[in-house]
Amino acid sequence: GQNIDQPTEMTATEGAIVQINCTYQTSGFNGLFWYQQHAGEAPTFLSYNVLDGLEEKGRFSSFLSRSKGYSYLLLKELQMKDSASYLCVAAGNKLTFGGGTRVLVKP
Amino acid sequence: DAGITQSPRHKVTETGTPVTLRCHQTENHRYMYWYRQDPGHGLRLIHYSYGVKDTDKGEVSDGYSVSRSKTEDFLLTLESATSSQTSVYFCAISEGNLETGGDIQYFGAGTRLSVL
Repeated sequence: GQNIDQPTEMTATEGAIVQINCTYQTSGFNGLFWYQQHAGEAPTFLSYNVLDGLEEKGRFSSFLSRSKGYSYLLLKELQMKDSASYLCVAAGNKLTFGGGTRVLVKP
Repeated sequence: DAGITQSPRHKVTETGTPVTLRCHQTENHRYMYWYRQDPGHGLRLIHYSYGVKDTDKGEVSDGYSVSRSKTEDFLLTLESATSSQTSVYFCAISEGNLETGGDIQYFGAGTRLSVL
Protein backbone atom coordinates (compact mmCIF):
# COMPACT_ATOMS: atom_id res chain seq x y z
CA GLY A 1 0.00 0.00 0.00
CA GLN A 2 0.85 3.65 0.12
CA ASN A 3 2.29 4.93 3.38
CA ILE A 4 4.49 7.71 4.71
CA ASP A 5 6.02 7.86 8.18
CA GLN A 6 7.56 11.01 9.60
CA PRO A 7 7.78 12.29 13.18
CA THR A 8 4.91 14.43 14.37
CA GLU A 9 6.94 17.14 16.07
CA MET A 10 10.53 18.24 16.65
CA THR A 11 12.00 21.07 18.70
CA ALA A 12 15.36 22.70 18.10
CA THR A 13 17.27 25.81 19.07
CA GLU A 14 17.94 28.77 16.81
CA GLY A 15 21.23 28.27 14.96
CA ALA A 16 21.18 24.50 15.38
CA ILE A 17 20.62 21.70 12.85
CA VAL A 18 17.55 19.51 12.62
CA GLN A 19 17.05 16.37 10.52
CA ILE A 20 13.54 15.25 9.63
CA ASN A 21 13.37 11.60 8.62
CA CYS A 22 10.78 10.12 6.32
CA THR A 23 10.16 6.52 5.33
CA TYR A 24 7.78 5.71 2.53
CA GLN A 25 6.06 2.87 0.75
CA THR A 26 4.49 3.60 -2.59
CA SER A 27 3.78 1.81 -5.85
CA GLY A 28 5.67 2.94 -8.91
CA PHE A 29 7.95 5.30 -7.01
CA ASN A 30 9.22 8.23 -9.08
CA GLY A 31 10.61 10.67 -6.55
CA LEU A 32 10.28 12.37 -3.19
CA PHE A 33 9.09 15.92 -2.52
CA TRP A 34 9.49 18.06 0.57
CA TYR A 35 7.12 20.97 1.18
CA GLN A 36 7.11 23.59 3.91
CA GLN A 37 3.85 24.79 5.40
CA HIS A 38 3.59 27.64 7.88
CA ALA A 39 0.57 27.59 10.16
CA GLY A 40 -2.54 28.78 8.34
CA GLU A 41 -0.76 29.02 5.00
CA ALA A 42 -0.38 26.96 1.85
CA PRO A 43 2.37 24.36 1.38
CA THR A 44 5.34 25.63 -0.62
CA PHE A 45 7.83 23.52 -2.56
CA LEU A 46 11.26 22.93 -1.04
CA SER A 47 12.89 20.06 -2.91
CA TYR A 48 12.40 17.08 -5.19
CA ASN A 49 14.76 14.08 -5.18
CA VAL A 50 14.66 11.52 -7.96
CA LEU A 51 18.12 9.96 -7.68
CA ASP A 52 19.86 8.61 -4.60
CA GLY A 53 22.01 11.08 -2.75
CA LEU A 54 22.06 14.49 -1.21
CA GLU A 55 20.83 17.68 -2.83
CA GLU A 56 21.73 20.96 -1.21
CA LYS A 57 19.89 24.23 -1.53
CA GLY A 58 21.31 26.85 0.75
CA ARG A 59 20.49 26.04 4.37
CA PHE A 60 18.23 23.14 3.34
CA SER A 61 19.38 19.75 2.05
CA SER A 62 17.39 16.67 1.12
CA PHE A 63 18.60 13.09 0.89
CA LEU A 64 17.08 10.06 -0.78
CA SER A 65 17.77 6.34 -0.64
CA ARG A 66 15.43 4.54 -3.03
CA SER A 67 16.56 1.07 -1.94
CA LYS A 68 15.72 1.84 1.69
CA GLY A 69 12.55 3.84 1.04
CA TYR A 70 14.05 6.62 3.09
CA SER A 71 14.55 10.34 2.85
CA TYR A 72 15.52 13.15 5.16
CA LEU A 73 15.35 16.91 5.13
CA LEU A 74 18.22 18.70 6.84
CA LEU A 75 17.73 22.24 8.07
CA LYS A 76 20.93 24.02 9.03
CA GLU A 77 21.52 27.30 10.88
CA LEU A 78 17.94 27.27 12.06
CA GLN A 79 16.08 30.56 12.11
CA MET A 80 12.85 31.44 13.91
CA LYS A 81 11.08 31.68 10.55
CA ASP A 82 11.83 27.97 9.96
CA SER A 83 9.16 27.10 12.53
CA ALA A 84 6.65 25.32 10.31
CA SER A 85 5.39 21.91 9.27
CA TYR A 86 7.45 19.95 6.77
CA LEU A 87 5.61 17.55 4.51
CA CYS A 88 7.20 14.47 3.01
CA VAL A 89 5.45 13.52 -0.25
CA ALA A 90 6.13 10.39 -2.28
CA ALA A 91 5.40 10.55 -6.00
CA GLY A 92 4.42 7.19 -7.40
CA ASN A 93 1.28 5.97 -9.10
CA LYS A 94 -0.22 8.75 -7.05
CA LEU A 95 1.05 11.40 -4.68
CA THR A 96 1.11 10.24 -1.07
CA PHE A 97 1.40 12.96 1.56
CA GLY A 98 2.79 12.44 5.02
CA GLY A 99 1.03 14.06 7.95
CA GLY A 100 3.86 16.55 8.34
CA THR A 101 6.50 17.21 10.98
CA ARG A 102 5.95 20.34 13.00
CA VAL A 103 9.30 21.97 13.77
CA LEU A 104 9.42 24.46 16.60
CA VAL A 105 12.51 26.68 16.70
CA LYS A 106 13.24 28.17 20.10
CA PRO A 107 15.49 31.18 20.81
CA ASP B 1 4.25 33.34 -6.31
CA ALA B 2 2.13 31.21 -8.62
CA GLY B 3 -1.07 32.98 -9.60
CA ILE B 4 -3.66 30.91 -7.79
CA THR B 5 -6.70 32.43 -6.14
CA GLN B 6 -9.18 30.54 -4.02
CA SER B 7 -12.57 31.92 -3.10
CA PRO B 8 -14.07 32.25 -0.63
CA ARG B 9 -11.24 32.11 1.93
CA HIS B 10 -13.63 31.34 4.77
CA LYS B 11 -17.15 29.97 4.76
CA VAL B 12 -19.60 28.82 7.38
CA THR B 13 -22.60 26.88 6.17
CA GLU B 14 -25.31 24.58 7.45
CA THR B 15 -25.64 20.84 7.03
CA GLY B 16 -27.50 19.91 3.88
CA THR B 17 -26.76 23.05 1.89
CA PRO B 18 -24.77 23.00 -1.37
CA VAL B 19 -21.41 24.78 -1.36
CA THR B 20 -19.13 25.70 -4.26
CA LEU B 21 -15.48 26.61 -3.88
CA ARG B 22 -13.61 28.26 -6.71
CA CYS B 23 -9.99 28.00 -7.78
CA HIS B 24 -8.67 30.42 -10.39
CA GLN B 25 -5.19 30.30 -11.95
CA THR B 26 -3.35 32.68 -14.22
CA GLU B 27 -0.46 30.30 -15.05
CA ASN B 28 -2.20 28.36 -17.85
CA HIS B 29 -1.16 25.08 -16.17
CA ARG B 30 -2.87 21.99 -17.48
CA TYR B 31 -3.36 20.15 -14.18
CA MET B 32 -5.48 21.34 -11.27
CA TYR B 33 -6.22 19.57 -8.00
CA TRP B 34 -8.48 19.85 -4.99
CA TYR B 35 -7.24 18.60 -1.61
CA ARG B 36 -8.56 18.65 1.89
CA GLN B 37 -6.33 18.90 4.93
CA ASP B 38 -7.39 17.60 8.31
CA PRO B 39 -5.39 17.05 11.51
CA GLY B 40 -3.85 13.59 11.54
CA HIS B 41 -4.55 12.91 7.87
CA GLY B 42 -2.24 15.14 5.92
CA LEU B 43 -3.36 16.34 2.51
CA ARG B 44 -5.82 14.08 0.71
CA LEU B 45 -6.74 14.36 -2.94
CA ILE B 46 -10.44 14.87 -3.67
CA HIS B 47 -10.51 15.33 -7.45
CA TYR B 48 -8.16 16.50 -10.13
CA SER B 49 -8.35 17.77 -13.67
CA TYR B 50 -6.01 17.17 -16.60
CA GLY B 51 -7.70 19.55 -19.00
CA VAL B 52 -10.92 21.37 -19.79
CA LYS B 53 -13.84 19.04 -19.02
CA ASP B 54 -11.38 16.25 -18.11
CA THR B 55 -11.54 15.29 -14.45
CA ASP B 56 -10.94 12.24 -12.31
CA LYS B 57 -11.53 11.12 -8.76
CA GLY B 58 -9.02 11.15 -5.95
CA GLU B 59 -8.99 9.09 -2.80
CA VAL B 60 -11.77 10.97 -0.94
CA SER B 61 -14.20 11.97 -3.69
CA ASP B 62 -17.50 10.84 -2.13
CA GLY B 63 -19.83 13.80 -1.58
CA TYR B 64 -17.86 16.08 -3.90
CA SER B 65 -18.13 16.97 -7.57
CA VAL B 66 -15.94 19.19 -9.76
CA SER B 67 -16.16 21.05 -13.01
CA ARG B 68 -13.63 22.67 -15.30
CA SER B 69 -15.18 24.61 -18.16
CA LYS B 70 -12.15 26.86 -18.68
CA THR B 71 -8.43 26.23 -18.26
CA GLU B 72 -8.20 28.82 -15.51
CA ASP B 73 -11.12 27.75 -13.32
CA PHE B 74 -11.69 24.58 -11.29
CA LEU B 75 -14.79 24.41 -9.14
CA LEU B 76 -15.40 22.08 -6.22
CA THR B 77 -19.00 21.48 -5.18
CA LEU B 78 -20.25 19.86 -2.01
CA GLU B 79 -23.65 18.62 -3.12
CA SER B 80 -25.12 18.53 0.39
CA ALA B 81 -22.61 19.60 3.01
CA THR B 82 -22.07 17.43 6.08
CA SER B 83 -20.16 18.13 9.28
CA SER B 84 -17.49 15.63 8.21
CA GLN B 85 -16.66 17.98 5.35
CA THR B 86 -15.52 20.67 7.74
CA SER B 87 -11.92 21.11 6.67
CA VAL B 88 -9.36 23.29 4.99
CA TYR B 89 -9.51 22.93 1.22
CA PHE B 90 -6.49 23.60 -0.95
CA CYS B 91 -6.37 23.98 -4.69
CA ALA B 92 -3.11 23.16 -6.47
CA ILE B 93 -1.81 23.42 -10.02
CA SER B 94 1.03 21.80 -11.91
CA GLU B 95 2.39 21.84 -15.43
CA GLY B 96 2.98 18.11 -15.63
CA ASN B 97 1.15 15.06 -14.46
CA LEU B 98 2.08 13.72 -11.05
CA GLU B 99 1.83 10.22 -12.49
CA THR B 100 4.53 10.73 -15.10
CA GLY B 101 7.46 11.35 -12.84
CA GLY B 102 6.06 13.91 -10.52
CA ASP B 103 5.86 17.62 -10.92
CA ILE B 104 5.98 20.55 -8.55
CA GLN B 105 2.57 21.54 -7.31
CA TYR B 106 1.77 25.13 -6.41
CA PHE B 107 -0.92 25.62 -3.83
CA GLY B 108 -3.55 28.27 -3.31
CA ALA B 109 -3.98 29.95 0.07
CA GLY B 110 -6.77 27.61 1.11
CA THR B 111 -10.45 27.84 2.02
CA ARG B 112 -11.49 27.19 5.60
CA LEU B 113 -14.98 25.61 5.53
CA SER B 114 -17.10 24.99 8.59
CA VAL B 115 -20.29 22.96 8.27
CA LEU B 116 -22.55 23.36 11.28
